[in-house]
Amino acid sequence: EDQVTQSPEALRLQEGESSSLNCSYTVSGLRGLFWYRQDPGKGPEFLFTLYSAGEEKEKERLKATLTKKESFLHITAPKPEDSATYLCAVQAVAAGNKLTFGGGTRVLVKP
Amino acid sequence: DSGVTQTPKHLITATGQRVTLRCSPRSGDLSVYWYQQSLDQGLQFLIQYYNGEERAKGNILERFSAQQFPDLHSELNLSSLELGDSALYFCASSPGISISTGELFFGEGSRLTVL
Repeated sequence: EDQVTQSPEALRLQEGESSSLNCSYTVSGLRGLFWYRQDPGKGPEFLFTLYSAGEEKEKERLKATLTKKESFLHITAPKPEDSATYLCAVQAVAAGNKLTFGGGTRVLVKP
Repeated sequence: DSGVTQTPKHLITATGQRVTLRCSPRSGDLSVYWYQQSLDQGLQFLIQYYNGEERAKGNILERFSAQQFPDLHSELNLSSLELGDSALYFCASSPGISISTGELFFGEGSRLTVL
């Protein structure tokens, strides 16, 4: 069964304090790994797709990387508006259109 | 604004009852997905419809059913409700039959509370 584990569960940062979120996955044949951002009371919002080990994607202060067993979401010099829950999801080759999500990391950036 | 509309936003009902959640996808999107988000289970895939046909099924209970209508809106029906069904139910849409880029557009969800 496909599994996604995110750590830490919660992260408190000072504005400007860079950090990384981890997403470990177990899947029989990875088709894609996805990062989403979810604000309180809202639906998840797509950030990145990574397809193969070594791939990196960047968007503003966020950078996602992928290895064969895990993905990292690096937040560089975060601002309070980066506060959100970050969700990681995998799509297995055998799973069709089913995405398996991790439990998320709640990030709070204090000014 | 993702362009996906879900109604109602909040719903409180009693055990044993039946409710219907409604979703209108983004203009032009043919696929609709339903997800359940609870505190202990996270975001769980329930079911996908593409252009009116069921395409993929996840951890959807037999008490739950869904359909997609010719105008592409979708409804998720939850019956014989139990306390454990209390959760946020999200609808998402995408243009094609498969999630090629991983980009799903999520609505703001329907929060169901079963008392």
